[in-house]
Amino acid sequence: QQQVKQSPQSLIVQKGGISIINCAYENTAFDYFPWYQQFPGKGPALLIAIRPDVSEKKEGRFTISFNKSAKQFSLHIMDSQPGDSATYFCAASRSRSGANSKLTFGKGITLSVRP
Amino acid sequence: DVKVTQSSRYLVKRTGEKVFLECVQDMDHENMFWYRQDPGLGLRLIYFSYDVKMKEKGDIPEGYSVSREKKERFSLILESASTNQTSMYLCASSPATGGDEQYFGPGTRLTVT
Repeated sequence: QQQVKQSPQSLIVQKGGISIINCAYENTAFDYFPWYQQFPGKGPALLIAIRPDVSEKKEGRFTISFNKSAKQFSLHIMDSQPGDSATYFCAASRSRSGANSKLTFGKGITLSVRP
Repeated sequence: DVKVTQSSRYLVKRTGEKVFLECVQDMDHENMFWYRQDPGLGLRLIYFSYDVKMKEKGDIPEGYSVSREKKERFSLILESASTNQTSMYLCASSPATGGDEQYFGPGTRLTVT
């Protein structure tokens, strides 16, 4: 059972365009939803995260939109740049600490931004 | 800056060998994790530990064991390596309180021939 599902599987966007990556989850106990960014040869790094008490969070060109009733959240990258080309993972977890702090990851999506 | 280091970037082992992957973090984090990353399958949790000498199975523990004798070090052990364990292995750590962010190491690309 895949608890966190990403779509699309890959994405190609022109420079300056908007990149949108979607994620759906199944476990209603999840209360933390991060997006991780991974460049080739590097480990993933936290990009932006949201908790269900807000519907949207923006950091620079990156925005998370959260829909609790639909059990979905999405990452929007405005003014996409070639340097944004990377693999993006959504994830979810249940709790802030201890044994429940483990993340469940989606399968990842490769974003290519063309110059 | 949080730093998570892994002992090797690339490793080539033979089938049946015992393999040790080492991970060290320098931020006094309580939680440590081992994942494997495979194309099309994303990141899958093998084992995690939330305290010294404590360990819990993740989603795919079969064929692996772990050791955490010191807070900063978390080792992944392949008792008898097999070709289907060829993968990228990622270690991560996170604090017990104050947030859920996990900090990842650069990964070890293990090839079992």
